[in-house]
Amino acid sequence: GAVVSQHPSRVICKSGTSVKIECRSLDFQATTMFWYRQFPKQSLMLMATSNEGSKATYEQGVEKDKFLINHASLTLSTLTVTSAHPEDSSFYICSARDRKYYGYTFGSGTRLTVV
Amino acid sequence: AQTVTQSQPEMSVQEAETVTLSCTYDTSENNYYLFWYKQPPSRQMILVIRQEAYKQQNATENRFSVNFQKAAKSFSLKISDSQLGDTAMYFCAFMKLSGGSEKLVFGKGTKLTVNP
Repeated sequence: GAVVSQHPSRVICKSGTSVKIECRSLDFQATTMFWYRQFPKQSLMLMATSNEGSKATYEQGVEKDKFLINHASLTLSTLTVTSAHPEDSSFYICSARDRKYYGYTFGSGTRLTVV
Repeated sequence: AQTVTQSQPEMSVQEAETVTLSCTYDTSENNYYLFWYKQPPSRQMILVIRQEAYKQQNATENRFSVNFQKAAKSFSLKISDSQLGDTAMYFCAFMKLSGGSEKLVFGKGTKLTVNP
């Protein structure tokens, strides 16, 4: 089945620094990937849709300059949290759709802690 | 805009018994997909089952089945012979197939606990 690899699984960074999270589709090409944020005991909130070779589409209320998304190839999308602050601490999850079937495969998530 | 409602924040069931999780949605679309995802304590999102709206037959995957009522916009998940490993958050999700915008809309989730 389709596999999406997300790294790192956990990261702790100092306030003011930037952190990059990678999302790779391992056995299929994904022209579109999605980035979610999940607060404790809550549902997934879509942050942005990442399109290969073009700019990401951000959901309302998501800061484009803080959450930089790059989808440079058909198998890799990255989310960079710039100038991170403690309120950016959260669980971030990526997903991608294998166009062979309707369904989304999710990465294992990244727990970001900003200290 | 599409919305997905899961009215049961938490549920529990005894091992080997059957439990049904509720999900309703609101949409004006005719072509769409519905999904149930499971998120265990590891927080990995796992697809449990999906249903194409144009199919009248309810989807089944081993112990998991759905009751899809399109007119009522209801999409419940039945778990038969519950196992301890079924303990997880369950999210109902909707995806429309038209309009070029492709994204999943999630409900708030139901926390299911299977008791030994």
